[in-house]
Amino acid sequence: QQQVKQSPQSLIVQKGGIPIINCAYENTAFDYFPWYQQFPGKGPALLIAIRPDVSEKKEGRFTISFNKSAKQFSLHIMDSQPGDSATYFCAARGWSSGSRLTFGEGTQLTVNP
Amino acid sequence: GAVVSQHPSRVICKSGTSVKIECRSLDFQATTMFWYRQFPKQSLMLMATSNEGSKATYEQGVEKDKFLINHASLTLSTLTVTSAHPEDSSFYICSARDARGQTQYFGPGTRLLVL
Repeated sequence: QQQVKQSPQSLIVQKGGIPIINCAYENTAFDYFPWYQQFPGKGPALLIAIRPDVSEKKEGRFTISFNKSAKQFSLHIMDSQPGDSATYFCAARGWSSGSRLTFGEGTQLTVNP
Repeated sequence: GAVVSQHPSRVICKSGTSVKIECRSLDFQATTMFWYRQFPKQSLMLMATSNEGSKATYEQGVEKDKFLINHASLTLSTLTVTSAHPEDSSFYICSARDARGQTQYFGPGTRLLVL
């Protein structure tokens, strides 16, 4: 009930490509879905977040698509750059989980020049 | 955006010693702070949640007598790893949430190596 499943585990794209990272959840009480970007040796940084009352949110080159009925959400990175190479974590939070974030397993993205 | 700092960024200590890690919210008041540990190529694992002025709530399997957490003010939380052993070597990351409870910000992490 508290799990968030993330895929793929790793992803390699060419510069300019559009990597897509998917997450699925089970707990329908989750009401906040953030994505974090983490570079090696650094803490995670919030990229973008969405609530279940909207189906899409865009901030710069990053877009979250949200499918409430399927309990899935995904991150799209438009015009990807080598500097986007990092590990990406999806997460979910709801009041039933004590307001704690439940993280996915992470996706290691490599954008080749 | 909001900033969370951690000190030290890395520490090497001998087995059996204690290590204190500080976490500060620099430009907002953090009513709730979280401590995570992360092993290489793995996700973040929540260790404990602390609210200012009250005892921390530890996750199952986390020894509260080994990982002492103090959240004495709205901008400072500390994690003390007592009697550290090599298996405690990890990347420790703190996180803080503001009073509105909307967004959770993460610190830069502390790399602990116990010899």
